[in-house]
Formats: sequence, structure tokens, C-alpha cells
Amino acid sequence: QKEVEQDPGPLSVPEGAIVSLNCTYSNSAFQYFMWYRQYSRKGPELLMYTYSSGNKEDGRFTAQVDKSSKYISLFIRDSQPSDSATYLCAPAGGATNKLIFGTGTLLAVQP
Amino acid sequence: GAVVSQHPSWVICKSGTSVKIECRSLDFQATTMFWYRQFPKQSLMLMATSNEGSKATYEQGVEKDKFLINHASLTLSTLTVTSAHPEDSSFYICSARADNRRVSGNTIYFGEGSWLTVV
Repeated sequence: QKEVEQDPGPLSVPEGAIVSLNCTYSNSAFQYFMWYRQYSRKGPELLMYTYSSGNKEDGRFTAQVDKSSKYISLFIRDSQPSDSATYLCAPAGGATNKLIFGTGTLLAVQP
Repeated sequence: GAVVSQHPSWVICKSGTSVKIECRSLDFQATTMFWYRQFPKQSLMLMATSNEGSKATYEQGVEKDKFLINHASLTLSTLTVTSAHPEDSSFYICSARADNRRVSGNTIYFGEGSWLTVV
């Protein structure tokens, strides 16, 4: 079983739609949960991060963590064409103290 | 905000030659840096953890003699792809962890990546 599982997509939505991106993970020691956005041919940029379970909102983005089911989500409201990118989840923490990425979900927001 | 600089941003080399990629933390010290490789339409795969003043820790399946990592100072780590072959062509990305901080959302900073093409 991979440490982090993520649907690679691609996911295509119309502008203004609500987008739901999800990941599952296997290591219960993970405590920090990050979402990165990566545009084509660029390094990843941190979008949001949460600590432990719960929700965190930042503008149009909401990150949700359910540690009991080892499930993490990113919601994008009022999606824009500029949101078109690959979104990578990356839980971290525990003994290894390194960042492990999911496969990334390619999102395309159609104008 | 914190900046990590990678150089070169792209390089083309001949098969059999060696290529060095630099990763610098510009405004913070980073005892620990990470090197990732990303093939087209795939995720970032951690290759190794680079530790200043000591040997790098390689992930399973990564050839340490082929991907030489040197972390000679608190702000610089280098990745040298030795005897490069076309299958080594990839996007190499480094990240740096701000010193004395555990890996979390706001302590890891990524470089812009280096495109390597081996012909």
C-alpha cells in the first residue's frame, strides 16, 4: 500500500464550480497535512496546511482532515481558470520527518 | 518569504557526462534539504535527504553512486547526476527545511526545479 493515494484525474470542471480533491494516507503518525499547487514546468507552491484533524479555510480554499479515516480533502469554491494546475497532497510528521507526496490531481477549469 | 534557488533551471547534456544541480537557501539556514525527481505527469518522488556535514540518506531504489549529493554548507546542497543517460531526463526539484523546525506546512520551501535532458 502506498503511503499516500490520490486520484490522478484529470478533473475537468466549468468555471464557478466547486471542486473537491481528495487523498488517503496510511501512516497514522502523520500530523501535518499540506496541499501544494503545481503549474506546468514549475516547482510546487504551498497552498494550505493543517495540523491534526479539522477544517481550515482560506479564501476560496478549504482544507479538511479526518484522521480517524486517514482522509484529507481540499475544496475550491467558485473555481477559476487560473486554478488549473496539478494539486498535490503531502502529509508529514512522525519519525521520518520528511514530505511524501500523493500522485497529484490534474485540474482543468474551463472558462 | 523564504526563497530557495535552484540552478540551472534547465540543462541539456550528452549521454555519459555528469551534471551538477545546485540548491541554495537564500535567506535562511537549512541543515536539511530534500531532492525530488518528477517525471512528466507524475508526482514528486523523494530521492534523498541531504544533511549538512554528513552523508545523504537515499530512498529505496535510488542509486547513491549515480546521484551524488553534497551538502557542504548550511545554505547549499548539490546533486550531481553522474554518467547521465537519457532515462535520467527528468525534472529535479529541491526543497529546504528551515533549521530547527520539524517538517510542517510553513517550514519547507521549494526551489523552482531544474529540467535535465540527456541526449
